[in-house]
Amino acid sequence: QKEVEQDPGPLSVPEGAIVSLNCTYSNSAFQYFMWYRQYSRKGPELLMYTYSSGNKEDGRFTAQVDKSSKYISLFIRDSQPSDSATYLCAMGYSGNTPLVFGKGTRLSVIA
Amino acid sequence: DTGVSQNPRHKITKRGQNVTFRCDPISEHNRLYWYRQTLGQGPEFLTYFQNEAQLEKSRLLSDRFSAERPKGSFSTLEIQRTEQGDSAMYLCASSQERITDTQYFGPGTRLTVL
Repeated sequence: QKEVEQDPGPLSVPEGAIVSLNCTYSNSAFQYFMWYRQYSRKGPELLMYTYSSGNKEDGRFTAQVDKSSKYISLFIRDSQPSDSATYLCAMGYSGNTPLVFGKGTRLSVIA
Repeated sequence: DTGVSQNPRHKITKRGQNVTFRCDPISEHNRLYWYRQTLGQGPEFLTYFQNEAQLEKSRLLSDRFSAERPKGSFSTLEIQRTEQGDSAMYLCASSQERITDTQYFGPGTRLTVL
């Protein structure tokens, strides 16, 4: 079993839809949870990070962490074609130690 | 504040050649990380530094790979005797301990070994 599992998709949704992206993990010691967005042939761009359990909202994006279930989610409201990218979940013991990434979920938002 | 920069952006080399990549972190970030990403996969950790000290190396990092951060600012990653399996995107990230809680990535160096 990999430390972090993420469905690679692809996921295709119409513009304006609510998108739900998820990861599961096995290491209960992980405390920091991040979501990165990566456009084709570019470096990952930080979207959100969360410490321990709970929710965090930033504009159209909401990150949720459920440590009891070892499950994290990213919700995108009112999705736009510009949201079309690969979304990577990442986690670690802290934000300043090596991160473990999921495979990434490829999202297409169709106008 | 400029972001993380990496050079070159692309490198094509023949099998057996040595290559060196450079990463310039965000100014005053004391931690610098190298990751490797292959097609359809997430980035995988290779090694990281706090200032000039190399804190950890992944088991992925074979003896042909070496990384340095001599003055605690920029870092270089060298691959000796490249193999086709080394073809990947090499990503650099940086963070500042106790100031930022996460890592900021550069654009990556895409290596193709023929």
